[in-house]
Amino acid sequence: GNSVTQMEGPVTLSEEAFLTINCTYTATGYPSLFWYVQYPGEGLQLLLKATKADDKGSNKGFEATYRKETTSFHLEKGSVQVSDSAVYFCAQYSNYQLIWGAGTKLIIKP
Amino acid sequence: EADIYQTPRYLVIGTGKKITLECSQTMGHDKMYWYQQDPGMELHLIHYSYGVNSTEKGDLSSESTVSRIRTEHFPLTLESARPSHTSQYLCASSEYLWTENTEAFFGQGTRLTVV
Repeated sequence: GNSVTQMEGPVTLSEEAFLTINCTYTATGYPSLFWYVQYPGEGLQLLLKATKADDKGSNKGFEATYRKETTSFHLEKGSVQVSDSAVYFCAQYSNYQLIWGAGTKLIIKP
Repeated sequence: EADIYQTPRYLVIGTGKKITLECSQTMGHDKMYWYQQDPGMELHLIHYSYGVNSTEKGDLSSESTVSRIRTEHFPLTLESARPSHTSQYLCASSEYLWTENTEAFFGQGTRLTVV
């Protein structure tokens, strides 16, 4: 069945480091892909999305490119800040539902 | 900022008690959802609703029940709480059922501990 796999956390980085959080999916066809973020003590909020192959979603300095060849949607940021510490979820829309990855906790140290 | 609210934020309750977790949204969304988030952070859909008087079970079997009498309100009830119900519960809403452009809005969650 359709699924989303994220890299396991926690991911710990120093401030201003480059971030990559890997996300791959399995699906029939070409689903829309999303990244949601959950800050400590908060609900999830949409960070960015891409609805077709080669689309790039971007927001708050984060980017992710929909790569159908590698079925991936990796999240990147050039220079992370302490305020980026959160849990990041990759998800795909498929068969009228959102299929979630397990989440990756990101810890940024000053 | 999302206009979806959950109460209480934190709840510690004894085994066997009946509890209701409240969720309200002011966006007029027809679609609402309840997720259970386990300590490993993974999200599991336990209930959803297409609109008033519609309730459906999600992917994860749950002993909870839900109701949807009003568009803005989607409470979740546990008739007899058990320690296995200890978890974080997240409520969400969206304007449309999941489509390629759907954005879901989440409440801040209720962290439930059953002792």
